[in-house]
Amino acid sequence: NAGVTQTPKFQVLKTGQSMTLQCAQDMNHNSMYWYRQDPGMGLRLIYYSASEGTTDKGEVPNGYNVSRLNKREFSLRLESAAPSQTSVYFCASSPNPGTVSETQYFGPGTRLLVL
Amino acid sequence: GENVEQHPSTLSVQEGDSAVIKCTYSDSASNYFPWYKQELGKGPQLIIDIRSNVGEKKDQRIAVTLNKTAKHFSLHITETQPEDSAVYFCAASKGPRNQAGTALIFGKGTTLSVSS
Repeated sequence: NAGVTQTPKFQVLKTGQSMTLQCAQDMNHNSMYWYRQDPGMGLRLIYYSASEGTTDKGEVPNGYNVSRLNKREFSLRLESAAPSQTSVYFCASSPNPGTVSETQYFGPGTRLLVL
Repeated sequence: GENVEQHPSTLSVQEGDSAVIKCTYSDSASNYFPWYKQELGKGPQLIIDIRSNVGEKKDQRIAVTLNKTAKHFSLHITETQPEDSAVYFCAASKGPRNQAGTALIFGKGTTLSVSS
């Protein structure tokens, strides 16, 4: 199993450009999450999807949109990138409700630089 | 909403010493407290977690303690090794055990350096 995969690994954008960050998991998990990580700020939740067909805002949703394409895939879209969105973005997934483990499994991250 | 404070932000120890990282949380309804380790260039990985009905949990050299009254929990690493060097994050969440999509609120992280 590959676990949680993210593409691309690194991206440079100009202010105003758009892009979609892709995330996929092969663990048959119900829930998926997008976080951003900034120096000295820890991980902050952008959006999450409790199950296929549902999405909810997290702590810092402004400037982002998400799509839960199917059970495996959860994408994050920046419609008009801003320098403040320069960050490392992590996707995570967690098992089905009612299971023993609540562990969130993280992908390797996408490093985004907005000029 | 929930707020998680983590201290210290950096910690340097000699190999073989113990390391302790402390976190406090604000929402008394929080009931799940995981700790994640993040190595350079990688995503965070769970190392240990504890639920609010347990006061302490151990896994080899790692232990976590929880004080619900004071709303704080701590990570203890004994006999530290150079490979323990990483950034450690605490987190808190609330909600029924079987609730899908329970969001985690993370502390800001502690950079642990173990020198040999």
